[in-house]
Amino acid sequence: DTAVSQTPKYLVTQMGNDKSIKCEQNLGHDTMYWYKQDSKKFLKIMFSYNNKELIINETVPNRFSPKSPDKAHLNLHINSLELGDSAVYFCASRPDGLHTGELFFGEGSRLTVL
Amino acid sequence: AQSVTQLDSQVPVFEEAPVELRCNYSSSVSVYLFWYVQYPNQGLQLLLKYLSGSTLVKGINGFEAEFNKSQTSFHLRKPSVHISDTAEYFCAVTPGGGKLIFGSGTRLLVRP
Repeated sequence: DTAVSQTPKYLVTQMGNDKSIKCEQNLGHDTMYWYKQDSKKFLKIMFSYNNKELIINETVPNRFSPKSPDKAHLNLHINSLELGDSAVYFCASRPDGLHTGELFFGEGSRLTVL
Repeated sequence: AQSVTQLDSQVPVFEEAPVELRCNYSSSVSVYLFWYVQYPNQGLQLLLKYLSGSTLVKGINGFEAEFNKSQTSFHLRKPSVHISDTAEYFCAVTPGGGKLIFGSGTRLLVRP
């Protein structure tokens, strides 16, 4: 009954490949996010969706494409992977209405590009 | 634009000693303030948050933080730490509930 779940947890792949990370939340939240955590633990927002609509798109290469088939899912597809894409990617969700900014995070997906 | 500064990348402390993790922010608008904790190989969990009202907020696991508007700070404290508190701690701000902006994190290392 994990609130925010991501798959896969670990992903090792070669440069140039295309890969996807999936995220699902069962909290009934309308807003979902993707964050990237680099090797120095720095967390940076990548994208945010509200009820399937893109609302935040930070300066991210267009090799990264988020997709939200419904408000409970937000997937991240990465084309032509590069070494610098190696990181831990966190999915998160936020309840609407309160606008307090509190996020609920998944356990992360560690991507290693060789 | 908003930003968050955590000056200490690592704070070593002995078990049962008090600890303070520092956080300063800059913003031209009112913000909500948060502390999150990340245990090894896990996602982030909310420790505590300041939205309004009393400037001293209490969170889980015995942590508390004080909002100081004049110093634009939101330092995290615990009077007596345990080995299990070893983790990465992130301060974060959000202007009115929108995008959450994180600091660079402080690793708390509790030694026996």
